[in-house]
Amino acid sequence: GAVVSQHPSRVICKSGTSVKIECRSLDFQATTMFWYRQFPKQSLMLMATSNEGSKATYEQGVEKDKFLINHASLTLSTLTVTSAHPEDSSFYICSARVSGAGGYWDTQYFGPGTRLTVL
Amino acid sequence: AQSVTQLGSHVSVSEGALVLLRCNYSSSVPPYLFWYVQYPNQGLQLLLKYTTGATLVKGINGFEAEFKKSETSFHLTKPSAHMSDAAEYFCAVSADTGRRALTFGSGTRLQVQP
Repeated sequence: GAVVSQHPSRVICKSGTSVKIECRSLDFQATTMFWYRQFPKQSLMLMATSNEGSKATYEQGVEKDKFLINHASLTLSTLTVTSAHPEDSSFYICSARVSGAGGYWDTQYFGPGTRLTVL
Repeated sequence: AQSVTQLGSHVSVSEGALVLLRCNYSSSVPPYLFWYVQYPNQGLQLLLKYTTGATLVKGINGFEAEFKKSETSFHLTKPSAHMSDAAEYFCAVSADTGRRALTFGSGTRLQVQP
């Protein structure tokens, strides 16, 4: 099946530093990747849509200058949390979309998530 | 616009009993519907999906769901619960024909009692 990896799985950083999270599709090419954040005991909230070779599309309320997304290739997207603060502590999950033969049906496959703790 | 409502944030069943997790959706276009399972501190694993065709969809681990357009529902069932089924379950809808972004329900935590 389609496998998506994330690195690192856990990161602890000091307030004010930047953290980069990588999301890779290991055995397929993903034209689109999505970034979500999940607070404890809550559902996933879509942060942004990342398309290879173009600018990311951010959801309303998500600061694009704080959460930098780069989709450098069809198998790699990165999320950089700049000048992280304690309120950015969360579980960040990426997904990669597999396109069907006709491009009409598709499924998102999720990475294992990255637990970010900002001290 | 699209939305998902999962009735019941917590469901508890006995091992061997029927599992029923409810999901209702709202969509202005024909939806794609998904059920995902999440174990603690892990990402989401796809259980099953409905796109077109047969309305009764079978997934992994013995789960199935039925798309009922008239009821705008996509409830998840399993005839006999196992202890290993204890997890968080999310229903999701994709009705944005462009990005195919997912909108998730609030999740249902399934507990399985011995």
